[in-house]
Amino acid sequence: KQEVTQIPAALSVPEGENLVLNCSFTDSAIYNLQWFRQDPGKGLTSLLLIQSSQREQTSGRLNASLDKSSGRSTLYIAASQPGDSATYLCAVVGETSGSRLTFGEGTQLTVNP
Amino acid sequence: ETGVTQTPRHLVMGMTNKKSLKCEQHLGHNAMYWYKQSAKKPLELMFVYSLEERVENNSVPSRFSPECPNSSHLFLHLHTLQPEDSALYLCASSREGYDTGELFFGEGSRLTVL
Repeated sequence: KQEVTQIPAALSVPEGENLVLNCSFTDSAIYNLQWFRQDPGKGLTSLLLIQSSQREQTSGRLNASLDKSSGRSTLYIAASQPGDSATYLCAVVGETSGSRLTFGEGTQLTVNP
Repeated sequence: ETGVTQTPRHLVMGMTNKKSLKCEQHLGHNAMYWYKQSAKKPLELMFVYSLEERVENNSVPSRFSPECPNSSHLFLHLHTLQPEDSALYLCASSREGYDTGELFFGEGSRLTVL
C-alpha cells in the first residue's frame, strides 16, 4: 500500500527566504506526482504536476523535483511571501491505483512579514 | 474560479436529518471524486465515478450515498450521520485514465453533525 509522508509538518520562515518542502513515497511505481496548496477552510489548488518521466517542473517562484527511484519529491519556493502561507500537499498516482491519488498529510507553511 | 463548484459551502445537520451535497464541474472532465478531509488526517478517497459509473467505493458506510446523473454533476446524499462524520467534503474532477493529468478540486462543503 502506497504511503506518502511530508516533512516538516509545519514550517515558519521570514519573508524573502527560500525554502524547501519534502515529500516521500514508499512505492516508486508511480505515474505522476502532484503538489497542491490549501488555504484554511478551502479546497485544494493544483500547483505543479510532474509525470514519472520528468525530473522537474517550474511555475513562477515554484520548482518541484522528482526522484522516482528514491521515492522523493521536493517543492522549492523562492523569495517567499506572506501570501504563500498555506498548507502544501503532495499526492501520487500509483501504477496500480489508476487515477486515484494518495495524499500526504501536508506541510503547514507560515511566512512572516 | 476553479471550474468545480460545490454547494452548500457549510452545512449543519442533526443525526436524523437527510441532506445532500452537490458538485458541478465545467471542465469537460469524465471522472469525478468525493474526498473526506478530517483534522490532522490525510485526504481520504470515498468514491470515484468514471463516465457516470461508480468505479470505486472505499469501504464507505452506507449512510453516505453518491449519485452521478451525468458527467458534470455529482451528489453525496447524507442520512443518519454520526458526529464523527463532521469534516470537509471535497469534490474533484479529472480526465480519466492512467495519464490522467491534474485533479481539480472544489472549495469543499464543511459539514457539522450535531
